[in-house]
Amino acid sequence: DIQMTQSPSSLSASVGDRVTITCRASQGISNSLAWYQQKPGRGPKLLLDTASRLESGVPSRFSGSGSGTDYTLTVSSLQPEDFATYYCQQHYSAPITFGQGTRLEIK
Amino acid sequence: EVHLVESGGGLVQPGGSLRLSCSASGFIFSSFAMTWVRQAPGKGLEWVSAISGSGNSIYYTASVKGRFTVSRDNSKNTLYLQMNSLRAEDTALYFCAKNKMDGLPSYEYWGQGTRVTVSS
Repeated sequence: DIQMTQSPSSLSASVGDRVTITCRASQGISNSLAWYQQKPGRGPKLLLDTASRLESGVPSRFSGSGSGTDYTLTVSSLQPEDFATYYCQQHYSAPITFGQGTRLEIK
Repeated sequence: EVHLVESGGGLVQPGGSLRLSCSASGFIFSSFAMTWVRQAPGKGLEWVSAISGSGNSIYYTASVKGRFTVSRDNSKNTLYLQMNSLRAEDTALYFCAKNKMDGLPSYEYWGQGTRVTVSS
């Protein structure tokens, strides 16, 4: 199984800050990487797919990059509604696996 | 607008059974594979099972193989997960999700989840 490791596990930031979350795969996944946002009591929301493609309706302050084993999610200017937990997911190889999550909290 | 609504969760003793349902609307249900993903309390997301649009192709994570059965009724736009021989480690919030594409997918829509608690 491909292991997905996110860092940091938690992050405190302020409205307007730029933040970056990293996801590292245990082997190359050829950009087959998705990012999700989850708020308490709700199912995850797909933000980006294929490492950098923004899903319809997702604000352009979210962006993704990376290749091989290393990927990043960046939020250019945090808004109050962005405080949530973020997960990466690889869909390169079965079984599908997720990172352990990064909790983004208000400072 | 796509809606996925899970139901059927609850408290069950170890060794017991539950049947989860996921009612879907807003898309051609039979055209899309569907997936169950679970989230243990305070933990991350774990892929559990998937089924193709026709129901002919089915997949399970190793820890539930032989105990869980995924199925679908395309005439009712409903996905199911029959869970038998439940264990404490099956305690989780169970989500159904719509596959974005064939093959190994990402998940473009999720339900709100239904909670399963396995405890004596």
